[in-house]
Amino acid sequence: AQRVTQPEKLLSVFKGAPVELKCNYSYSGSPELFWYVQYSRQRLQLLLRHISRESIKGFTADLNKGETSFHLKKPFAQEEDSAMYYCALSNTNTGGFKTIFGAGTRLFVKA
Amino acid sequence: DVKVTQSSRYLVKRTGEKVFLECVQDMDHENMFWYRQDPGLGLRLIYFSYDVKMKEKGDIPEGYSVSREKKERFSLILESASTNQTSMYLCASSFREYSIVGNQPQHFGDGTRLSIL
Repeated sequence: AQRVTQPEKLLSVFKGAPVELKCNYSYSGSPELFWYVQYSRQRLQLLLRHISRESIKGFTADLNKGETSFHLKKPFAQEEDSAMYYCALSNTNTGGFKTIFGAGTRLFVKA
Repeated sequence: DVKVTQSSRYLVKRTGEKVFLECVQDMDHENMFWYRQDPGLGLRLIYFSYDVKMKEKGDIPEGYSVSREKKERFSLILESASTNQTSMYLCASSFREYSIVGNQPQHFGDGTRLSIL
């Protein structure tokens, strides 16, 4: 069965500290992974996707097929990074019609 | 910029009422989705549609139905609202085609916070 697991509901770090939001998935095919972010009082929006191999707002995420993980990392957290983060897996077999989301991790960056 | 508009930000209804949640997108997207967002559970897919008049059940369709009469509009219907349907409802849309950079990401509306009393 397809599943996305985000083991931490809440992650609290100090400003300037490194941050890693964990995401593990189970999928039998070749997955496409995304990170979405929801800032306070804003809509959910795409942060980055593994296939683009890009860095957005200082965040990166590497797909590790051996460990079935797609952890989101940033070397120096900023207060404006405080938000709810969702890892998501897209089913490539159905053209991305169905996306499975994790339960989310709330990141709180303390001054 | 993609615009996904949900008709209401907040809605209060009574148990047993028939409730309509409306969603409109302006980017000619083929795919449209309805999710529930609950703390600790993330986003759960209720229904999705990949074309006009087409619909597919998601993971939690019970107690809900949908309508897609026009490409830009996707409606979620609670046939007989119950208190366990109190939640944040998110609408999303995306292109259908698989692009050179992979599956298309979804674009979300602001959400409708629905309370059933």
